[in-house]
Amino acid sequence: GAVVSQHPSWVICKSGTSVKIECRSLDFQATTMFWYRQFPKQSLMLMATSNEGSKATYEQGVEKDKFLINHASLTLSTLTVTSAHPEDSSFYICSARDPATSGYEQYFGPGTRLTVT
Amino acid sequence: QQQVKQSPQSLIVQKGGISIINCAYENTAFDYFPWYQQFPGKGPALLIAIRPDVSEKKEGRFTISFNKSAKQFSLHIMDSQPGDSATYFCAASTLAAGNKLTFGGGTRVLVKP
Repeated sequence: GAVVSQHPSWVICKSGTSVKIECRSLDFQATTMFWYRQFPKQSLMLMATSNEGSKATYEQGVEKDKFLINHASLTLSTLTVTSAHPEDSSFYICSARDPATSGYEQYFGPGTRLTVT
Repeated sequence: QQQVKQSPQSLIVQKGGISIINCAYENTAFDYFPWYQQFPGKGPALLIAIRPDVSEKKEGRFTISFNKSAKQFSLHIMDSQPGDSATYFCAASTLAAGNKLTFGGGTRVLVKP
């Protein structure tokens, strides 16, 4: 099956700093990737849709200047949390759609645990 | 507005029993209904998915039942095992809208040995 990786798996940063999370599709080319955040014992909330070579589309209520998304290649999307604050602490998960399949399936990465102190 | 409602929030079942999780949706444009399994600290993994042109799909111990008129779908886990203890999420999406997934609230399943 399609494999999606994320790096790092966990990160601790100080308030006011920025942190970058990478999402890679390992065995397929992903024209579309999605970024989610998940708070403890809650569901996944879509933050943005990342399309290779174009600007990301953000969901309502997500600050695009705070959560910078770059999808520079068909196998890599990055999420940068800028000027992080403790309330940004969460589990960030990416997914990728494999266009070689029916187009419906999304494959999720293992997630990145962000803690802002 | 929550477009996909999932119940129950938690479920305890004995080993060998059947786990049943239900979801209801509002948006009739949804045309893809997947179920995901998530273990603590891990990303969700696709279990099984169904399109609205079929009423049931079975893969191993997992079965999706789909009722288009009622706008409901459910996951049945047969012969539940302790290793099935996880959180299960239903979701729905529309390919024409970019296949953005809308998730249900999740069900924490505990299978007792």
